[in-house]
Amino acid sequence: SAVISQKPSRDICQRGTSLTIQCQVDSQVTMMFWYRQQPGQSLTLIATANQGSEATYESGFVIDKFPISRPNLTFSTLTVSNMSPEDSSIYLCSVESPGGYEQYFGPGTRLTVT
Amino acid sequence: AQSVTQLDSHVSVSEGTPVLLRCNYSSSYSPSLFWYVQHPNKGLQLLLKYTSAATLVKGINGFEAEFKKSETSFHLTKPSAHMSDAAEYFCVVSDDSGGSNYKLTFGKGTLLTVNP
Repeated sequence: SAVISQKPSRDICQRGTSLTIQCQVDSQVTMMFWYRQQPGQSLTLIATANQGSEATYESGFVIDKFPISRPNLTFSTLTVSNMSPEDSSIYLCSVESPGGYEQYFGPGTRLTVT
Repeated sequence: AQSVTQLDSHVSVSEGTPVLLRCNYSSSYSPSLFWYVQHPNKGLQLLLKYTSAATLVKGINGFEAEFKKSETSFHLTKPSAHMSDAAEYFCVVSDDSGGSNYKLTFGKGTLLTVNP
């Protein structure tokens, strides 16, 4: 399985500011994913990021709010822009396994917006 | 479209007794099904997966699940609960819908409490 790290592990931010979350994988992967887990809720897919192409966003998520970069096969960033308290969540990145059937998840970034 | 319904938001068992976490799915195609576990303040860990092979799937830590197509169910079981099993469990579906087989849909989760 892949080893995934995320930075920061947690942060407290003021409304109106932006935070960039980093996701690093210990091996080259084609597809990376970003999820949001709101308090007490399940995971919701934000977008899929392939290296060398624009990220694909799920319904309800837009690039202006959640811009994503994917500069190489081991790294991605997710920015949460113009934050409001409703953005307080855990943000997780994941990668697809070599067989494509499952995903490995990072430890998550716990974001609190005040 | 695919969806997952976890029938219980909270299950409480005594240590040493069996565990049953229920999951029903809906999928237009041949689904892959997973159970993930999330311990407090930790990341998601894959417990087991079904990908059209044997219908009874064995996972880590003594957990297993049975894929029943006629009942569209994928319930998670363990014969004897341990205190360390206390966590949030997510049933997840991924269907092979023309190249989108990477897209995971999560259930709302079942919180398992294990009492001494």
